[in-house]
Amino acid sequence: QKEVEQDPGPLSVPEGAIVSLNCTYSNSAFQYFMWYRQYSRKGPELLMYTYSSGNKEDGRFTAQVDKSSKYISLFIRDSQPSDSATYLCAMRDTGGFKTIFGAGTRLFVKA
Amino acid sequence: ETGVTQTPRHLVMGMTNKKSLKCEQHLGHNAMYWYKQSAKKPLELMFVYSLEERVENNSVPSRFSPECPNSSHLFLHLHTLQPEDSALYLCASSQDRQGVSTDTQYFGPGTRLTVL
Repeated sequence: QKEVEQDPGPLSVPEGAIVSLNCTYSNSAFQYFMWYRQYSRKGPELLMYTYSSGNKEDGRFTAQVDKSSKYISLFIRDSQPSDSATYLCAMRDTGGFKTIFGAGTRLFVKA
Repeated sequence: ETGVTQTPRHLVMGMTNKKSLKCEQHLGHNAMYWYKQSAKKPLELMFVYSLEERVENNSVPSRFSPECPNSSHLFLHLHTLQPEDSALYLCASSQDRQGVSTDTQYFGPGTRLTVL
C-alpha cells in the first residue's frame, strides 16, 4: 500500500465550479499536511499548510484534514482557468526531513 | 534573483557524458533537497543536506553524486546515466530548526533531463 494515495485525474470542470481534491494516507504519525500547485514546466509552489486536524481557509482555497479517517481535502471555490495545474498533496511527521508526496491531480478549468 | 534557481533548465546528455545540475537558494535557508519527478509518479526524495551535512540519502544509485559547498548552493553531478533517469530534477530549500525541517519547502523550477 502506498503511503499517500491521490487520484491522478485529469479533472475537468467549468469556470466557477467548486473543485474538491483529495488524498488518503496510511501513516498515522503524519502531523503536517500541505498542498502544492504545480504549473506546467514549473516547480511546485506551496498553497496551503496545515498542522494536525481541522480546516484552514485562504481566499478561495480551503484545506481540510481529518486525521481519524486519514483523509485530506483541498476545496477551490469559484474556480478560474488560471487554477488549471497539477495539485500535489504532501505530508510528514514531526521528525526529520522526509516529506511524502502524492502523485498529483491534474485539474483543467474550462472558460 | 529571488527564491530558488536552477540551471540549466533543460539538459540532454548521452549515457557516457558527465554533467552537473546547479541549485542556488536566496532565502537564507539552511537545508536543501534534490527530488526526482517522473511522469505520473510522486516526487522521489533523493538527497537532503542540512547545515551542509548530508542527512538523507534514499538508496540513490551512485551515478548521482550530490555536493553542497555551502548553505546556498547545491549540485547534482551526473555520470553514466541510463535512459530511465530522464525526469524533472527539482531542488528545494527549507529552514532547519534543531535537526527537524519544521518549515515548508520552496522549490526551484527544475531541470528537465533527457538521457539518450
